[in-house]
Amino acid sequence: NAGVTQTPKFQVLKTGQSMTLQCAQDMNHNSMYWYRQDPGMGLRLIYYSASEGTTDKGEVPNGYNVSRLNKREFSLRLESAAPSQTSVYFCASSSPGAVMGGTEAFFGQGTRLTVV
Amino acid sequence: KNEVEQSPQNLTAQEGEFITINCSYSVGISALHWLQQHPGGGIVSLFMLSSGKKKHGRLIATINIQEKHSSLHITASHPRDSAVYICAVRSTTSGTYKYIFGTGTRLKVLA
Repeated sequence: NAGVTQTPKFQVLKTGQSMTLQCAQDMNHNSMYWYRQDPGMGLRLIYYSASEGTTDKGEVPNGYNVSRLNKREFSLRLESAAPSQTSVYFCASSSPGAVMGGTEAFFGQGTRLTVV
Repeated sequence: KNEVEQSPQNLTAQEGEFITINCSYSVGISALHWLQQHPGGGIVSLFMLSSGKKKHGRLIATINIQEKHSSLHITASHPRDSAVYICAVRSTTSGTYKYIFGTGTRLKVLA
């Protein structure tokens, strides 16, 4: 099925461990995003990539790094996980011009990460 | 104060009721989106609006640019409509690829 594929769906890390969240889209979108969702707060942008080869910081980038491996794939890395990074992470993609796909799904299913 | 405010935060309705969810924003925008987050966590884009009104099935979305307000209506609500509905704006002051999200309205429709 077309859309955004995000892995893993669940992950538990110990403080200080590292991990990479993977995201791939098959809609030929230029722009990709990583968000985190915390209780009582709206989705907050961590990093985004406007096109292949470019990445930029979002609202809450500290403690994260990203790689736009190619047009399809955009990964998020936690080098040294902290309990404050416990959250649900969403990858998203869109076409230039910020049309979020109309009625099409453009978010991944989310990764529920717990750091203990 | 959040730049995107939704009301109500929680809403319980009986099957068949007409439902309205509101979104107010305080920034200049080029587009507003309504998203649906299912209980399993997946997020689906329902509408993108820059003016006027759009309809898709039992869902209707309206926007008033002058009043900086949008509403999402659900007619003949059904338990499968139970989800979190999120308003997101593409702010003209926050950069080309950035959006500001509301905290969501949790809707529960009872059979």
